[in-house]
Amino acid sequence: QKEVEQDPGPLSVPEGAIVSLNCTYSNSAFQYFMWYRQYSRKGPELLMYTYSSGNKEDGRFTAQVDKSSKYISLFIRDSQPSDSATYLCAMEANAGGTSYGKLTFGQGTILTVHP
Amino acid sequence: KAGVTQTPRYLIKTRGQQVTLSCSPISGHRSVSWYQQTPGQGLQFLFEYFSETQRNKGNFPGRFSGRQFSNSRSEMNVSTLELGDSALYLCASSLARGETQYFGPGTRLLVL
Repeated sequence: QKEVEQDPGPLSVPEGAIVSLNCTYSNSAFQYFMWYRQYSRKGPELLMYTYSSGNKEDGRFTAQVDKSSKYISLFIRDSQPSDSATYLCAMEANAGGTSYGKLTFGQGTILTVHP
Repeated sequence: KAGVTQTPRYLIKTRGQQVTLSCSPISGHRSVSWYQQTPGQGLQFLFEYFSETQRNKGNFPGRFSGRQFSNSRSEMNVSTLELGDSALYLCASSLARGETQYFGPGTRLLVL
């Protein structure tokens, strides 16, 4: 079983829709949670970063973390065609040497927003 | 502030050859992590360097190695290339553990 599970999609929505992306994890040592966006043939771009349970909002994006359920989500409001990309959840532990600089990623969800 | 840069952007090699990839982190960042991205396995952690020391290593064979220089620039080397090494190799830099990792554009390696 993978430490981080993410529905690969693909997900196709109309412009203006609310998008919900989710990841579950099994490692209780994960303390830092991120969402990255990756366009085709580009490196991942950080969207959201959080380390506590609850919600964090940034413009049209809201990241939600529930440590008790080991579940994180990213919501995109008023989705735009330019949001079409692969969305990756990532997590980092705070558990000593084996966690240094290591992000564990979900498989990524391919999102298409059509006009 | 300039982002993470990686060179070369594209590379074609044949089986058995070796390759060296380079990464320049964001100015002031001392931690550099390397990842391999493939369609089947996704993004997988290779290793992390901080102050010229490898602090962590992922589950990859010894053919994969790296180093970091005093200016925080890092290189990774893959020896005796195999077809399965074809991938996008990404480097990320951060100030320290637990801090945000910023990714470069990657080096796309094709092994024939």
